[in-house]
Amino acid sequence: DVKVTQSSRYLVKRTGEKVFLECVQDMDHENMFWYRQDPGLGLRLIYFSYDVKMKEKGDIPEGYSVSREKKERFSLILESASTNQTSMYLCASIRQGGNYGYTFGSGTRLTVV
Amino acid sequence: QQQVKQSPQSLIVQKGGISIINCAYENTAFDYFPWYQQFPGKGPALLIAIRPDVSEKKEGRFTISFNKSAKQFSLHIMDSQPGDSATYFCAASSSGGSNYKLTFGKGTLLTVNP
Repeated sequence: DVKVTQSSRYLVKRTGEKVFLECVQDMDHENMFWYRQDPGLGLRLIYFSYDVKMKEKGDIPEGYSVSREKKERFSLILESASTNQTSMYLCASIRQGGNYGYTFGSGTRLTVV
Repeated sequence: QQQVKQSPQSLIVQKGGISIINCAYENTAFDYFPWYQQFPGKGPALLIAIRPDVSEKKEGRFTISFNKSAKQFSLHIMDSQPGDSATYFCAASSSGGSNYKLTFGKGTLLTVNP
């Protein structure tokens, strides 16, 4: 089975800190995504990448950036964390030509205090 | 702009009953409609999906009904079980692009009482 691993299950960071959320997939998928999940708002796309060093903005990219230096790893960066970025962050991947069935990681619950 | 509207926000069903979750979309370019199931503490997992060339797809107790003219699709869970208690998300995507980007509904929390 494809595995998408998010490095941290829970994180607590202070306002203004630079935060890195890491995601690694082990099935050579070209496409990777970062979503945030908030109660009542569903899943909202932050950024996605369809190849190494390629990235595109999703629906809510403000306050975030991403890095994809290797095919298996997709990092989400909060340049200066704010309390409104407290959320569950989900990483997902799918191979090119796949059947649109994302494989999600288990999520990182980030609290910014 | 919410492109996929999902209802209800929460749903309580008795064991053995039918659970129905509805979604409506606006973008006529959407041509792939998956449903995801999420248990607490886990990431969402693909449950079932449909393309608009068929009006219904069934996998076990789970059925998607699709109405292209109304731009609506729904998930039916027959003989609902307590183990089906989870959050369900509908989603939509367009194959016109190559980025596999999904737009999700806001989710439905399903509780199946024993």
